[in-house]
Amino acid sequence: SAVISQKPSRDICQRGTSLTIQCQVDSQVTMMFWYRQQPGQSLTLIATANQGSEATYESGFVIDKFPISRPNLTFSTLTVSNMSPEDSSIYLCSVDPGESPYNEQFFGPGTRLTVL
Amino acid sequence: AQSVTQPDIHITVSEGASLELRCNYSYGATPYLFWYVQSPGQGLQLLLKYFSGDTLVQGIKGFEAEFKRSQSSFNLRKPSVHWSDAAEYFCAVTSNFGNEKLTFGTGTRLTIIP
Repeated sequence: SAVISQKPSRDICQRGTSLTIQCQVDSQVTMMFWYRQQPGQSLTLIATANQGSEATYESGFVIDKFPISRPNLTFSTLTVSNMSPEDSSIYLCSVDPGESPYNEQFFGPGTRLTVL
Repeated sequence: AQSVTQPDIHITVSEGASLELRCNYSYGATPYLFWYVQSPGQGLQLLLKYFSGDTLVQGIKGFEAEFKRSQSSFNLRKPSVHWSDAAEYFCAVTSNFGNEKLTFGTGTRLTIIP
């Protein structure tokens, strides 16, 4: 397993600004993921962030809007750029520690973002 | 493409009663199945998982789930719920192909009444 922390836990932001969310893991992991959970909805994968390579974005998500950094094996950031009220969501990072071949993921506590 | 269906959006159960949350998946390969729980204001916690072998799997907090290939189901059960079980429950599926994404169902919100 892995213990994951996220900062900030919540924030209220103004339209047009940007917010960077940090994800810290207590062990080195290759695969990290960023998800969005819109109000009352399920989780949608934004991108996969593997250390040493560019993030891979899912359909409907672009790097200009959600730039991701992965400087090392324990840390990643997701930036939500030029925010609008539609970006109000919970953003979660997860990791696959690679301890099993079964694509098992462990999640952080999430960052609750409200855009006014 | 793989998909997960949780037909019940919201379930209300009396404390002490039994619980079953439904999950159906659609996937051509060997599925790996998970149940996660999300308490209010919290992240996701893994309750249990199925990869292979015994089709009845035990998880944390007294939960269990049964994999039924013929019905493409992976229903979550608990014999006696506690007020602290009130939360959102997500079923998820991935596969034995490397780097396969985790696909989530839409979730079931569980309310416990005294």
